[in-house]
Amino acid sequence: EIVMTQSPATLSVSPGERATLSCRATQSVSSDLAWYQQKPGQAPRLLIYGASTRATDIPARFSGSGSGTEFTLTISSLQSEDFAVYYCQQYNKWPLTFGGGTRVEIK
Amino acid sequence: VQLLESGGGLVQPGGSLRLSCAASGFTFTTCAMSWVRQAPGKGLEWVSIISASGSPTFYADSVRGRFTISRDNSKDTVFLQMNSLRAEDTAIYYCTKRTVGTNPFDSWGQGTLVTVSS
Repeated sequence: EIVMTQSPATLSVSPGERATLSCRATQSVSSDLAWYQQKPGQAPRLLIYGASTRATDIPARFSGSGSGTEFTLTISSLQSEDFAVYYCQQYNKWPLTFGGGTRVEIK
Repeated sequence: VQLLESGGGLVQPGGSLRLSCAASGFTFTTCAMSWVRQAPGKGLEWVSIISASGSPTFYADSVRGRFTISRDNSKDTVFLQMNSLRAEDTAIYYCTKRTVGTNPFDSWGQGTLVTVSS
């Protein structure tokens, strides 16, 4: 099983600042990596797939990078609606696996 | 796109439940369908997936042999039959869709809560 490790567990950021979230896989997943955003009481929402492609209607301030085992989600200028939990997921090999999540909170 | 889950509730350990997910707003027969769960206060765990045609299916080790995923393409509905339920199966169960191929989960339902407790 591919284990996905996200860091940090919690990120405290001021509105308008940049946030950088990391995700690491225990073996290569090529570019088959997605990022999801989950707000309290809501279902997750797809943000990024193919490591770097924004999903439909996702603002340009969200960007993804990386391939193989190291991936990054960057939020260029945090807005109030971006404070949430973010999960990475690999869909390259069975079983499909998620990272443990990074909570982005207001500093 | 709409994915509407139903069938959750309170069940005793060892009991069974059948979850349903009614899909609309897309061509159901072109998408694999999956269940992902989230225990209270925890992260996401993929549970099972069924291909667009109904075969093959895949399961997480934690549920293999106890859960069965199926679909009715004439009714745009996917099911999750859960048997021999355990306390650790307590979670919100989300129905998700995945376009055929190596793709992420691009739409999620709002989830249905399953509580396993005596």
